[in-house]
Amino acid sequence: AQSVAQPEDQVNVAEGNPLTVKCTYSVSGNPYLFWYVQYPNRGLQFLLKYITGDNLVKGSYGFEAEFNKSQTSFHLKKPSALVSDSALYFCAVRDGNTGGFKTIFGAGTRLFVKA
Amino acid sequence: EAGVVQSPRYKIIEKKQPVAFWCNPISGHNTLYWYRQNLGQGPELLIRYENEEAVDDSQLPKDRFSAERLKGVDSTLKIQPAELGDSAVYLCASSLSRGRNEQYFGPGTRLTVT
Repeated sequence: AQSVAQPEDQVNVAEGNPLTVKCTYSVSGNPYLFWYVQYPNRGLQFLLKYITGDNLVKGSYGFEAEFNKSQTSFHLKKPSALVSDSALYFCAVRDGNTGGFKTIFGAGTRLFVKA
Repeated sequence: EAGVVQSPRYKIIEKKQPVAFWCNPISGHNTLYWYRQNLGQGPELLIRYENEEAVDDSQLPKDRFSAERLKGVDSTLKIQPAELGDSAVYLCASSLSRGRNEQYFGPGTRLTVT
């Protein structure tokens, strides 16, 4: 069965510092991995995805994520955090081998960037 | 390009009353999803449509929930009768109909059942 874990309920960073939001996953086949961000009173917004190829993927707003197959992780990173990055971040996984379309979302990590 | 549209944005009803949510996906997106998001949790899939066909409704509580997607475009999710535990945000999303594609979410409908 598919699963995804976001071990941190909240991450606090100072503006200008690098940030990391952690995600680990479990699927039986090849993973399709996604990051979404949710701002208050808004729906989820796609940030980036890993399907195949280069382990480092770049996405919107300067975010990037690194796929690590041996550690089954897909951590979200940004070199320099902005106050406007403060939001709720969701990692999601889909099993690419089964051909299914069911996406499993993590519980979310709240990012707080302090000025 | 217009995003996914949902209405209403907020709904407060008493338990045992019916309620319906409407979704208009992004033009050209054949796949439509309904999710429920409880406070402090990630979205959980209720039902997925490929065009007008419901292809994954295993998580939909069929005794009280129903959904339809007539003509493969707009969709309606209904609850009848609502229970206190149905209070949540109901999200609609759409995507191109391949597994590699990301989903685009609407703003959601926040349902409060009193």
